[in-house]
Amino acid sequence: EAGVVQSPRYKIIEKKQPVAFWCNPISGHNTLYWYLQNLGQGPELLIRYENEEAVDDSQLPKDRFSAERLKGVDSTLKIQPAELGDSAVYLCASSLGGTQYNEQFFGPGTRLTVL
Amino acid sequence: DAKTTQPPSMDCAEGRAANLPCNHSTISGNEYVYWYRQIHSQGPQYIIHGLKNNETNEMASLIITEDRKSSTLILPHATLRDTAVYYCIAPFGNEKLTFGTGTRLTIIP
Repeated sequence: EAGVVQSPRYKIIEKKQPVAFWCNPISGHNTLYWYLQNLGQGPELLIRYENEEAVDDSQLPKDRFSAERLKGVDSTLKIQPAELGDSAVYLCASSLGGTQYNEQFFGPGTRLTVL
Repeated sequence: DAKTTQPPSMDCAEGRAANLPCNHSTISGNEYVYWYRQIHSQGPQYIIHGLKNNETNEMASLIITEDRKSSTLILPHATLRDTAVYYCIAPFGNEKLTFGTGTRLTIIP
């Protein structure tokens, strides 16, 4: 069974440029998460989707970050414009939800470098 | 989430049991204890979780004290591939996982 797929794995951009990350969750997983991980820190939740609905986006900086999960499967996270401080690893995870809500499966992440 | 406290780092000899402690003295009755690990350059990986009883799966064992104020993750025969950062998390109900800085476990050949 394929795990959570993310692309690209690495992205280098200049500040003020836009960038997008793509995630394909495990088949059948209705819940999808985007996390941000700074160097030396644990992952921090940005947004959680239940199917196509964003049910927790309280930590998403909405002035420059946006996300969508059309059709309740794949998801895209966008930053526009990127700032130097956005350099981090962006992780996508999915879970079955319900009683298995917190058994989350993570992708390998996208390492973003903003110059 | 209940606050969890873990040592920042630990070493363990290859082939020995690795015992990773976690303190969660403010845990409430319906908060589970979850353990994840993150190998370098990979996303976190779910290991095990429990509420009151000890749990065991193919990866590890989880021992929770009777008062539930602390727990220990046990990797019975550590290998070099177990070198990772281990996170102990006690989310409230279906609330989000809050990762701290975890314990960096180094398995020594």
